[in-house]
Amino acid sequence: RKEVEQDPGPFNVPEGATVAFNCTYSNSASQSFFWYRQDCRKEPKLLMSVYSSGNEDGRFTAQLNRASQYISLLIRDSKLSDSATYLCVVNRWTGNQFYFGTGTSLTVIP
Amino acid sequence: NAGVMQNPRHLVRRRGQEARLRCSPMKGHSHVYWYRQLPEEGLKFMVYLQKENIIDESGMPKERFSAEFPKEGPSILRIQQVVRGDSAAYFCASSLRTPRDTQETQYFGPGTRLLVL
Repeated sequence: RKEVEQDPGPFNVPEGATVAFNCTYSNSASQSFFWYRQDCRKEPKLLMSVYSSGNEDGRFTAQLNRASQYISLLIRDSKLSDSATYLCVVNRWTGNQFYFGTGTSLTVIP
Repeated sequence: NAGVMQNPRHLVRRRGQEARLRCSPMKGHSHVYWYRQLPEEGLKFMVYLQKENIIDESGMPKERFSAEFPKEGPSILRIQQVVRGDSAAYFCASSLRTPRDTQETQYFGPGTRLLVL
């Protein structure tokens, strides 16, 4: 079973829409959680960390559900510039790696 | 305050040649990771190094690939006798502390795009 699993999409949404992505992780020793964004042919960039109580950064809201082992990212009022692949990332206190999901593709349509 | 640097950004090699990819981590970072990304695919972990030590190379192919992070200078990913299937984007990332540290994260370089003819 993969450490981190994401729905690859693609998600095609109109500007202004609200879109949500989910990500599940398999190892209960996972301790830190992140969302990265990767634009086409560019490097991944940290979008936000995900905290147990949930956290918000402008139009972006991240939630963590440890009991069900999933993480979510909500994007409100989608902009064209939000079009990218969103990567779910976890690390764990027993590991030597950051574990990446394969990413969810988002296209925001005018 | 330079970020992670990689060079070259683009590298073309013929089958059988060697490819050397370089990565300079962010200032103060002593943990380096290499990833490979094939077209239309996700990031694949290859190796995690600290200065002068390979910590985890579980994602590295057993043959032709090697990595080092010397006491001085950049980390090097070396691919010997390249084949067409090695064509990919190779990303380096660095972190300040180990992946086991709570809320530790990593920062990526711009990648090296390797094309094997």
